[in-house]
Amino acid sequence: DTGVSQDPRHKITKRGQNVTFRCDPISEHNRLYWYRQTLGQGPEFLTYFQNEAQLEKSRLLSDRFSAERPKGSFSTLEIQRTEQGDSAMYLCASSLWGRYQETQYFGPGTRLLVL
Amino acid sequence: DAKTTQPTSMDCAEGRAANLPCNHSTISGNEYVYWYRQIHSQGPQYIIHGLKNNETNEMASLIITEDRKSSTLILPHATLRDTAVYYCIVRAPGSGNTGKLIFGQGTTLQVKP
Repeated sequence: DTGVSQDPRHKITKRGQNVTFRCDPISEHNRLYWYRQTLGQGPEFLTYFQNEAQLEKSRLLSDRFSAERPKGSFSTLEIQRTEQGDSAMYLCASSLWGRYQETQYFGPGTRLLVL
Repeated sequence: DAKTTQPTSMDCAEGRAANLPCNHSTISGNEYVYWYRQIHSQGPQYIIHGLKNNETNEMASLIITEDRKSSTLILPHATLRDTAVYYCIVRAPGSGNTGKLIFGQGTTLQVKP
């Protein structure tokens, strides 16, 4: 399977714990996006990378959230001191960005439940 | 990026064509129309996109009006597996644009046997 993969698919944690999610994009895709989706809502943009550079962060991304893409390949999203409001599906997407248009392809998501 | 308006929900009989409308009256000349769908508990799936001309691929057809203020996604022979939330997104490409997708509420399509 050469699509976007995410790990883990499900995570249950207790409030106050730290969690880390991983995203492996489609090979050679230079852009990687993180989105968050709560129940009944469409996905909301969190942040994105072009190669290893993090170019934009949403106001949704509080200082408890940090994302990295150290070698321009896979990315991690860490949430520190989790809160119940962090419970959501975390989606990763990748694209091959060019001058005129790009198409983002999404992974299956990581569903987080904070107790 | 221009805002889109879609009906909240639609039903379609299995085997019939599903026509999903989207209004984007404030679309700019360089903005593309993208369609994604999300089957329950899965990540969004890319369907099709277009700028001006009608587009067709193995999944669907996209019809964009001449003034580009609205479009219709057509699933020619809907199956039960097409039951999903369908998102219409308008976005400008190119340098200086983050490329982030702004999702609305989408249209929940229910395909019935």
